[in-house]
Amino acid sequence: QVQLVQSGAEVKKPGASVKVSCRVTGYTVTRYFMHWVRQAPGQSLEWMGTFNPPSGGKYYAQKFQGRVSMTRDTSTNTFYMELNSLKSEDTAVYYCAREISGMDYWGQGTLVTVSS
Amino acid sequence: DIQLTQSPSFLSASVGDRVTITCRASQGISTYLAWYQQKPGKAPNLLIFAASTLQSGVPSRFSGSGSGTEFTLTISSLQPEDFATYYCHQVKTYPRTFGQGTKVEIK
Repeated sequence: QVQLVQSGAEVKKPGASVKVSCRVTGYTVTRYFMHWVRQAPGQSLEWMGTFNPPSGGKYYAQKFQGRVSMTRDTSTNTFYMELNSLKSEDTAVYYCAREISGMDYWGQGTLVTVSS
Repeated sequence: DIQLTQSPSFLSASVGDRVTITCRASQGISTYLAWYQQKPGKAPNLLIFAASTLQSGVPSRFSGSGSGTEFTLTISSLQPEDFATYYCHQVKTYPRTFGQGTKVEIK
C-alpha cells in the first residue's frame, strides 16, 4: 500500500531554514515524479517544484529559485524539501505528492510556521 | 505561465443538486487537466485526470469533460460528503499551476 508520511510541524524564525521529509512506502522512490505543493492559510494550492527520480532532475517554481532544494535518499526511500531564508509569508502547510497522471498520493502535510 | 480560472469561486447547493464547476486555461492544454477535492485540514484527493478519466475509487457521480482551454467538473447528485473545495490543475507544462478553488457549501 502506497503511503507518503511527512515529518512533523515546525516553528521557525524569519531568516531560518526548514527541511521537510516525505517517507515513501509501497513503491520505490526511483520511479514516479514527486512534487512539493504548499497551501497558505485560507489560500489555494501553490506548486513549488518537482523531483524527477529517473533522471534526478529538478524543476523549481521561479518564485522559489535559489531558496529551495529538493533531494532524495534512495537508502531510506525518502524525499526532502528544504526552504531557506524563511519569511512570514512562508507560513503554510507543505505537501509532498506523487504524480502519475495526476497527483494520486499525497502526504498528510507539514505545517511550517514562521514567526519572530 | 498558464493561468487557470475557476468559476464560480463559491457555490451554495442542496443535497441532490447537479453541480458544475468550470476551469478555463489561459492557453491550450489539450486534456492535461486534473481535478481535486479538498476537505478542511486534509490533503487534496485526486478525482479526475486527463480531463475526463475517473480516478479509481471515486464515485461515478463525479465526471469531467473538456479540452483545450475550457473544462468542467460535474457532480450529478450532490451528496453530504461532497461539500468541500475543488481545484483544477494543469499538468501540461512547467510551472504546474492550480485554479483558485471552488468552495461548495450547503444551501
